[in-house]
Amino acid sequence: GAGVSQSPSNKVTEKGKDVELRCDPISGHTALYWYRQSLGQGLEFLIYFQGNSAPDKSGLPSDRFSAERTGGSVSTLTIQRTQQEDSAVYLCASSLGQDLPTGELFFGEGSRLTVL
Amino acid sequence: KNQVEQSPQSLIILEGKNCTLQCNYTVSPFSNLRWYKQDTGRGPVSLTIMTFSENTKSNGRYTATLDADTKQSSLHITASQLSDSASYICVVRHLYNNAGNMLTFGGGTRLMVKP
Repeated sequence: GAGVSQSPSNKVTEKGKDVELRCDPISGHTALYWYRQSLGQGLEFLIYFQGNSAPDKSGLPSDRFSAERTGGSVSTLTIQRTQQEDSAVYLCASSLGQDLPTGELFFGEGSRLTVL
Repeated sequence: KNQVEQSPQSLIILEGKNCTLQCNYTVSPFSNLRWYKQDTGRGPVSLTIMTFSENTKSNGRYTATLDADTKQSSLHITASQLSDSASYICVVRHLYNNAGNMLTFGGGTRLMVKP
């Protein structure tokens, strides 16, 4: 596709279950970001992948959160033992790369997670 | 601490009216500032980018201004349309930080345009 694709668009799960959120970035974009957006709040940085470099995981809120990016393309964000406070929209974005300081982020439509 | 503050948090205007959204930042040194529009249930989309040397930039009915001395930016919307109803997010990039938190996001202004 032409844009960033995220799935699922909506996920309802029970507290304690694990969830996986998927992001398929724009082809050729080396940089990939995950953000969390809670209702009425600004975007919270979670994790950043740039090419073959080690990911910047400094934004992950706890060790229940992890992410990987396979083959420099598709990324999966995994939340283990979900808690109610994990409920939010998880946005993925990609860009051409960090060496372009004016680089625009292209966002997916997000995955809305609801933990009951 | 790098911060981006936006005001107002929410705004309701009548169709056809103008409005101005504000963004104040403390990010330093500063590389650039982008305004994004986020429709409900969608991801943000870039409207315009302002670099250090730019004071004004227009994109159709949207005009962004930047005062790098006072660290303020504004987004002016002219002749508003119902489709302008959205959240508008100010995002500032740090000049030297290339880590994942190179971008600082404002909390957004939620604009509602009523007929």
